[in-house]
Amino acid sequence: QVQLQESGPGLVKPSETLSLTCTVSGGSISSDSSYWSWIRQPAGKGLEWIGRIYTSGGTFYKTSLKSRLTMSIDTSKNQLSLKLSSVIAADTAVYYCARGMVHAIDAFDVWGRGSLVTVSS
Amino acid sequence: QSALTQPASVSGSPGQSITISCTGTSSDIGRYNYVSWYQQHPGKAPKLLIYEVFSRPSGVSNRFSGSKSGNTASLTISGLQADDESDYYCSSYASSGTFFGGGTKLTVL
Repeated sequence: QVQLQESGPGLVKPSETLSLTCTVSGGSISSDSSYWSWIRQPAGKGLEWIGRIYTSGGTFYKTSLKSRLTMSIDTSKNQLSLKLSSVIAADTAVYYCARGMVHAIDAFDVWGRGSLVTVSS
Repeated sequence: QSALTQPASVSGSPGQSITISCTGTSSDIGRYNYVSWYQQHPGKAPKLLIYEVFSRPSGVSNRFSGSKSGNTASLTISGLQADDESDYYCSSYASSGTFFGGGTKLTVL
């Protein structure tokens, strides 16, 4: 059974770059789905889709974050990565990686437990 | 493009049925049959309940059902149980990305 685990620093200073890794276990990142997404959730608030990356390496980002966002995939390590530059307090959230469901459009059937990132000096 | 609109809260008694609405636009829900619903218990990751408007992943109870009419999608939970008390989110595909609703808190009275 595929499992996802996010990891990275829990505290990032304003204007710096937030970096997270999502490790896929129990399956292959390149064959268990055609795309993977990052989704975040500020404390007490709703979910916000950030972007998706295809196993081919192609990406599609949320328009408002596009200029600050970089997603990548490392099939040899079975990992995804997320980098968000020039962070501000509003980027404080729990960040989830999620698998795009096979044979379905835009549905996320496996989620990581989430990684809390706080932006503060 | 904005988040989809959901009621902030709904409630129902055990055994009853409730429906949560999710309103979008002709650019998302109205254009595509790619609406999903998620259940999220406090402190936990979301769980997929419904995909592509009305399909259920393996293992999800048939008490959960989805539908769509025009720009509005709906999630119906029948035979309410105490464990259904949770937050529920809809999402929709759009050409500009994926959009979530603001979430609905379901209280089981």
